[in-house]
Amino acid sequence: EVQLLESGGGLVQPGGSLRLSCEASGFTFITCDMSWVRQSPGKGLEWVSSITGSGGSTYYADSVKGRFTISRDNSKSTLYLQMNSLRVEDTAVYYCVKHSPLFGNWGQGTLVTVSS
Amino acid sequence: DIVMTQTPLSLSVTPGQPASISCKSSQSLLHSSGKTSLYWFLQKPGQPPQLLIYEVSNRFSGVPDRFSGSGSGTDFTLKISRVEAEDVGLYYCMQSIQLPRTFGQGTKVEIK
Repeated sequence: EVQLLESGGGLVQPGGSLRLSCEASGFTFITCDMSWVRQSPGKGLEWVSSITGSGGSTYYADSVKGRFTISRDNSKSTLYLQMNSLRVEDTAVYYCVKHSPLFGNWGQGTLVTVSS
Repeated sequence: DIVMTQTPLSLSVTPGQPASISCKSSQSLLHSSGKTSLYWFLQKPGQPPQLLIYEVSNRFSGVPDRFSGSGSGTDFTLKISRVEAEDVGLYYCMQSIQLPRTFGQGTKVEIK
C-alpha cells in the first residue's frame, strides 16, 4: 500500500524558512516522479513543484520560483521542499503527491502558517 | 497559463440520480503523443484529494464504475451515473499538458 507521510509544517514569521519532508513507502520511490501541491484555507488547489525520479529535473510554479527548492533522497525514500523567504500568501496545507499515474496518490498534508 | 473552468460550481443531487460536471480548458489538452492530459479529483470533507479519472476517461484503481469521464480537445465531462452519499465533496479537474499544472475552481456536490 502506498503511503506518503508529510512533516515539517508549522507557524513561521514572514521572511522565515521551513523544510517539509515526505516519507514514502509501498512503492519503488526512485522510479516515481513526485510533486508538492498546496491548498490555501478554504481555497482551491495549486501545483507548487515537481521532481523527476532521479532528481535530475525540477519544476516550479512562478509563485515560488527562486524561494522554494524541491529535492529528494532516494536512499531514504524521502521528498523535501525547502521553503525560504516565506510570505503570508504561502499559508496552506502542503500535499506530497506521487505520480504514475499523475497525482495518483496524496499524503494527508502538512499545514504551513506564515504569520507575524 | 491554461485556465480551467468548471461548471456548475455547486450541485445538489438526489441519491440514485445522475450528476454531471463540465470542465473547459483555455487551450487544447491533446498532446502530440495522442494522449489528452485531463484529470479529475474528488476531495471528500476533511481528506486530501483523490484521483478519480486520468487522461480523460481512465478510472484510477478502486474507483467505482459509476464514475466516468469523457471529452476531447478543450471540453470535458465527469459523470456520476447514480450518486451515492459517499460522493459528496469537491470535484476538481486538472490539466497537465503544460506547466504550470492548473486546476479548475472546484465543484461542490452535496446530497439533497
